[in-house]
Amino acid sequence: DAGVIQSPRHEVTEMGQEVTLRCKPISGHDYLFWYRQTMMRGLELLIYFNNNVPIDDSGMPEDRFSAKMPNASFSTLKIQPSEPRDSAVYFCASSLRKGGNYEQYFGPGTRLTVT
Amino acid sequence: GEDVEQSLFLSVREGDSSVINCTYTDSSSTYLYWYKQEPGAGLQLLTYIFSNMDMKQDQRLTVLLNKKDKHLSLRIADTQTGDSAIYFCAESRGSARQLTFGSGTQLTVLP
Repeated sequence: DAGVIQSPRHEVTEMGQEVTLRCKPISGHDYLFWYRQTMMRGLELLIYFNNNVPIDDSGMPEDRFSAKMPNASFSTLKIQPSEPRDSAVYFCASSLRKGGNYEQYFGPGTRLTVT
Repeated sequence: GEDVEQSLFLSVREGDSSVINCTYTDSSSTYLYWYKQEPGAGLQLLTYIFSNMDMKQDQRLTVLLNKKDKHLSLRIADTQTGDSAIYFCAESRGSARQLTFGSGTQLTVLP
């Protein structure tokens, strides 16, 4: 399996522009998670989906952030409009329940820089 | 990650053992995980331990769990330069076993 795939790997954009990050989870996994990693706040869970349905978006920082999962093999995280404080590495992860264990596998991340 | 605590830095000599410590807060966590992050890369799942276990060994890795003290440790035997990375512990909570991560421990292996 190719693992979790994210694109783009790097994104540089100007303040006010719309940014869309993409994720393809591991085939067969039924949970998908979006995380943000910064030096100041570490790894934060933004939102997660189960069977393509958003379950908990309490970690989404504000209305400028939105996420969708139109099918089992694709998810997007959109920031509109972007701000410099959104600069971070955004990770997507997917998991499959094995008994009570839900091992999460992470993608390589998208490094976002907003100038 | 404020509910899961780790020391920020650890330096060891090549060939020595490394011990990375972690304290967590949620006694209902059923699984606890260790992830490794190399520069510019995503998080790689190293190992996990079920909460009813005290110890788990996987090749050079040994995980110890003290539920009473909510303390978790990762021991790496015969540490190599390739082990230099940031190590995160994480506790799982909730219906989807959402992960709460510690701040990460930067392990530096000196030649």
